[in-house]
Amino acid sequence: GESVGLHLPTLSVQEGDNSIINCAYSNSASDYFIWYKQESGKGPQFIIDIRSNMDKRQGQRVTVLLNKTVKHLSLQIAATQPGDSAVYFCAEKGLDGATNKLIFGTGTLLAVQP
Amino acid sequence: GAGVSQTPSNKVTEKGKYVELRCDPISGHTALYWYRQSLGQGPEFLIYFQGTGAADDSGLPNDRFFAVRPEGSVSTLKIQRTERGDSAVYLCASSLMPNSPLHFGNGTRLTVT
Repeated sequence: GESVGLHLPTLSVQEGDNSIINCAYSNSASDYFIWYKQESGKGPQFIIDIRSNMDKRQGQRVTVLLNKTVKHLSLQIAATQPGDSAVYFCAEKGLDGATNKLIFGTGTLLAVQP
Repeated sequence: GAGVSQTPSNKVTEKGKYVELRCDPISGHTALYWYRQSLGQGPEFLIYFQGTGAADDSGLPNDRFFAVRPEGSVSTLKIQRTERGDSAVYLCASSLMPNSPLHFGNGTRLTVT
């Protein structure tokens, strides 16, 4: 049978639709957040980051929203394309200099249907 | 330009053997990180170098794991007396400065039989 680790949360969308991927982070002291995209057989690829003094940041076709009150982060992808299919991870860390450790969430599999 | 390079891309070894995994960071990047990723999971932090020194090795699971970066560029992750539970993808990342985004290599898939 399948291993527990293979049961990634999955988001299935139609090509051209907007996608929203959510992440709950754990440490209220974290003040830097990053979204990564990981395709099969490759390392995580940086998408966009945001610091805790902001609640929204936009890139090309992507927007990250940060809600510090409920420790929630989301990634919005506009006009989703088949090439966006991948696992998406949020990651957090503190900027206080005490550690440079980046903590990753468990990931969401985005499946884009043509 | 050249990204983070990891060699080998795949390594199969027998339980109890010693392995070395190599990472070539992006030129000029002062910070280097090792992560381990199991199937279906996010990367887990192992160790972080700033220059030649290990600034944070709190993620190394036990004393069988060791990493070096003698000249502040290339790094080697060394695993002694490998166990089947060490099987995973070992990812290396580098960043220009400590608070810059991390750029990852494609990893070394380690399989311990």
